[in-house]
Amino acid sequence: ETGVTQTPRHLVMGMTNKKSLKCEQHLGHNAMYWYKQSAKKPLELMFVYNFKEQTENNSVPSRFSPECPNSSHLFLHLHTLQPEDSALYLCASSQDGGLDSTDTQYFGPGTRLTVL
Amino acid sequence: AQKVTQAQTEISVVEKEDVTLDCVYETRDTTYYLFWYKQPPSGELVFLIRRNSFDEQNEISGRYSWNFQKSTSSFNFTITASQVVDSAVYFCALSEPDNTDKLIFGTGTRLQVFP
Repeated sequence: ETGVTQTPRHLVMGMTNKKSLKCEQHLGHNAMYWYKQSAKKPLELMFVYNFKEQTENNSVPSRFSPECPNSSHLFLHLHTLQPEDSALYLCASSQDGGLDSTDTQYFGPGTRLTVL
Repeated sequence: AQKVTQAQTEISVVEKEDVTLDCVYETRDTTYYLFWYKQPPSGELVFLIRRNSFDEQNEISGRYSWNFQKSTSSFNFTITASQVVDSAVYFCALSEPDNTDKLIFGTGTRLQVFP
């Protein structure tokens, strides 16, 4: 299943810019996730939304601000980023991200972000 | 603490060779799930398999097979008769129901299959 889309696929921004990443899932899932993938590091979970409610914030700096207006859409708003924030940002969704649930997560293609 | 180790950073093989990607995990829970994902150059993580801790049967899907050994905490992945299209980074991951939604990923193994 590849029913998770992300836009843009590539983004270059300066440290003073404000931009947003968008994720949309067409799988009818109720949970959505943001991950950060930096070179030579394991994928890092950033945020989890379950039924539009944020259930996990993995100590992410406030310059990253997620928004989940409905179960199908997830945004990541970016402002005053640092060069070390350059990475691949991956969105994922699963049927239900609640307690005692380990549904399979399906990933989007990612947004390759470069911060100058 | 939970941890997933993929000791092989990079593997290179020639087409039609068999290749095994190793995955070793650590967990204190008796109930957990293991996953393998493939990340081709396009970037997206493609789900390959999910296995729960109570099911130790090996699984085969076409050229792919998985060997789950609880005694050694390993969940190895073998590609038989590799093809150039198998070139990608492969990630092993662990999830625990008691730890809600967290997937703990290994650092990945880059597989290059040469013609």
